[in-house]
Amino acid sequence: DGGITQSPKYLFRKEGQNVTLSCEQNLNHDAMYWYRQDPGQGLRLIYYSQIVNDFQKGDIAEGYSVSREKKESFPLTVTSAQKNPTAFYLCASRGLGQQETQYFGPGTRLLVL
Amino acid sequence: GQQVMQIPQYQHVQEGEDFTTYCNSSTTLSNIQWYKQRPGGHPVFLIQLVKSGEVKKQKRLTFQFGEAKKNSSLHITATQTTDVGTYFCAGLGAGNNRKLIWGLGTSLAVNP
Repeated sequence: DGGITQSPKYLFRKEGQNVTLSCEQNLNHDAMYWYRQDPGQGLRLIYYSQIVNDFQKGDIAEGYSVSREKKESFPLTVTSAQKNPTAFYLCASRGLGQQETQYFGPGTRLLVL
Repeated sequence: GQQVMQIPQYQHVQEGEDFTTYCNSSTTLSNIQWYKQRPGGHPVFLIQLVKSGEVKKQKRLTFQFGEAKKNSSLHITATQTTDVGTYFCAGLGAGNNRKLIWGLGTSLAVNP
């Protein structure tokens, strides 16, 4: 059963802690993306990766970090430098030649306590 | 920078009424895509339009891409409660700027 998985579904973090959100895909897609969505808002791009071992900053990369050591995996770390991390985080992937059509995972809701 | 404006931000209709959301880009697009996000869910790809003036239909949904490839619309005929959600357009920049630019979405509520 192909798809994108994100875990956990809900995540609680204390202020000052780093936290890592998981994103795994078995679609054999080359490109992967991380978005942030705030209530009633659109999608804002945090980081993206077109190929293994390479990634670029999106529009709101400050306070976040990523790695792309494997094609299937693109974890996102929300660092303590991110001042307003409470949001819905969405991971997406895209196959080569699919004209940027993106397939999304179910998302992780992060709440800072 | 490039922007995609989407209107309206919210729309509340009675079941059976029609609904339209519009997207306008500040620059020419290579293609435009539409996604639907149900409440509490994640965006799901609906369709992609590539050609100037293209019109595509999916049952009660009609998608249009403008002649200048700078605007697009999604029209739903005779809305149903299952149409509830937020509809996003996302435009792919033309030329070397192959970046997907997202509209802010239109949230549709349908009264039964």
